[in-house]
Amino acid sequence: GIQVEQSPPDLILQEGANSTLRCNFSDSVNNLQWFHQNPWGQLINLFYIPSGTKQNGRLSATTVATERYSLLYISSSQTTDSGVYFCAVYNTDKLIFGTGTRLQVFP
Amino acid sequence: DTGVSQNPRHKITKRGQNVTFRCDPISEHNRLYWYRQTLGQGPEFLTYFQNEAQLEKSRLLSDRFSAERPKGSFSTLEIQRTEQGDSAMYLCASSLLVAEAFFGQGTRLTVV
Repeated sequence: GIQVEQSPPDLILQEGANSTLRCNFSDSVNNLQWFHQNPWGQLINLFYIPSGTKQNGRLSATTVATERYSLLYISSSQTTDSGVYFCAVYNTDKLIFGTGTRLQVFP
Repeated sequence: DTGVSQNPRHKITKRGQNVTFRCDPISEHNRLYWYRQTLGQGPEFLTYFQNEAQLEKSRLLSDRFSAERPKGSFSTLEIQRTEQGDSAMYLCASSLLVAEAFFGQGTRLTVV
């Protein structure tokens, strides 16, 4: 089956720093989503981005489907950005999740 | 619409007991998915429905697990004869076909 790998696995930042999270996938996909998992376990939708670039406030994402990767940019990070970030790709009819990036932002 | 709703939020059960979880999807969504997440891992696909039809089940879904979506609206996931290895977060999601999926808050199961 399709493999979805995220890097880095862990990231520690000071408040105000910028970061880039990467998602690589091993096969062609129909769509891709980025999620932020909060401390209570809920997956919060960040981007639904099969291709191209989208921006939402301090966050933006770019997917290059032909090269099988997606990037999530976080600018001017805040402590509330802490948590685990997952990318997930649609393969056939279901979302397959990556391994996640655990982000810790310190004041 | 209030989004995807799951109940209960937490469940503690003794090994060998049966448990049932409920998921209410976003009302116009025809697809409903169940995932399981253990500590430090990403969510793993269990099964999904399109309307009332269960279209795919993962090999992770042993014979002790059963899911239903009787009228194409809410869904239930039952685990029979629970084992300690069943302890996990169970997540439900809904979508319109393969469009953007939205997740509920999850049900955290602890088997003691």
